[in-house]
Amino acid sequence: ETGVTQSPTHLIKTRGQQVTLRCSSQSGHNTVSWYQQALGQGPQFIFQYYREEENGRGNFPPRFSGLQFPNYSSELNVNALELDDSALYLCASSLGGASGSQETQYFGPGTRLLVL
Amino acid sequence: QQQVKQSPQSLIVQKGGISIINCAYENTAFDYFPWYQQFPGKGPALLIAIRPDVSEKKEGRFTISFNKSAKQFSLHIMDSQPGDSATYFCAASMIPYGNKLVFGAGTILRVKS
Repeated sequence: ETGVTQSPTHLIKTRGQQVTLRCSSQSGHNTVSWYQQALGQGPQFIFQYYREEENGRGNFPPRFSGLQFPNYSSELNVNALELDDSALYLCASSLGGASGSQETQYFGPGTRLLVL
Repeated sequence: QQQVKQSPQSLIVQKGGISIINCAYENTAFDYFPWYQQFPGKGPALLIAIRPDVSEKKEGRFTISFNKSAKQFSLHIMDSQPGDSATYFCAASMIPYGNKLVFGAGTILRVKS
């Protein structure tokens, strides 16, 4: 069984640029959730994708967008980067059903983004 | 109403001692309460979780105590070991609504040998 993988591990961008982060979900999982973890804080929910459709969004502006592909891997795109976007971006995969997700979310190691 | 408040912010415990971390929530619709452990440079890993229909759950040295009326839950780590030194996060979610986790701010635990 393959765990959740994310790429790249680290990234440095300048303010105003755009970035794409990638996540491969655990084998058999159809739901991917993205979280932003600022330094010294708990992860904050960005959005979730279930079977290629957005299934809920946290309090993040529209310049944060995402995609889920038929193989259930996912991308997080951030446009017009701001200094405050510097954080660890985590994706978590789980097995969702018609009535919602099963309990356990498995997190990847994250992508550390630094915006200068 | 979506917040989960966690305390203490940091904790130092002697090897063999008991580590206790507390969390409180407001939203009574939450029905799933996991604890995650995170080591530096790694993603959070699920440690133990509880549903509100039980007051306590134990797995090895880790125990969750849950008080539904007080809207509080806590993690107890018995016989704490230096390898337990990590950041611990409590979280809460609503399973039928996609299980989107709301995390506490985290507790940095250091176990002294």
